[in-house]
Amino acid sequence: GAVVSQHPSWVICKSGTSVKIECRSLDFQATTMFWYRQFPKQSLMLMATSNEGSKATYEQGVEKDKFLINHASLTLSTLTVTSAHPEDSSFYICSATPTADTQYFGPGTRLTVL
Amino acid sequence: AQKVTQAQTEISVVEKEDVTLDCVYETRDTTYYLFWYKQPPSGELVFLIRRNSFDEQNEISGRYSWNFQKSTSSFNFTITASQVVDSAVYFCALSAPYNQGGKLIFGQGTELSVKP
Repeated sequence: GAVVSQHPSWVICKSGTSVKIECRSLDFQATTMFWYRQFPKQSLMLMATSNEGSKATYEQGVEKDKFLINHASLTLSTLTVTSAHPEDSSFYICSATPTADTQYFGPGTRLTVL
Repeated sequence: AQKVTQAQTEISVVEKEDVTLDCVYETRDTTYYLFWYKQPPSGELVFLIRRNSFDEQNEISGRYSWNFQKSTSSFNFTITASQVVDSAVYFCALSAPYNQGGKLIFGQGTELSVKP
């Protein structure tokens, strides 16, 4: 149990286009999902906290108009990178929490912007 | 503010050696959780352990063991008789579920290389 999926697992796009990444909890309901970003050889940095039915809470320094997060149901959160640029190339990882003290991570999405 | 420090950026050992990965944390919360994750080259995070702030008992799971000491704010991870498959980046993380909504603060990670 407690499986989180992400789609796509990797994506290559042209500069200026938008990319949507989906995060799904497959066998549990998640009131809260988190989005992390990881640059090569670096740690995971929290981008935003996504709560079902409400606006996401963004960490300091993360542009909310560039990284659009939607958490429309208890099993799905989406991250849309708008007008992507090469500096947005990164590994994006989501996690889902059935309870406040447990997080299950997705397998990650590798984004490359040309 | 919460912070997790993994001072060892890279560690290289020869197979069968024991290795300890250090983790020091800072928090003002009285209730919190500490975690260790393994990240192999594929990128997917593998959960290893969760420890709550009220449980200072050390834990052993096979070749893995963890030493939690609140007095020094440390949560160290030891791999006994290391194997090549242990090569990965290991992250220590801290969460304060009740005050922070459960978000995790990660350390910088320690890249472990086990050579045959």
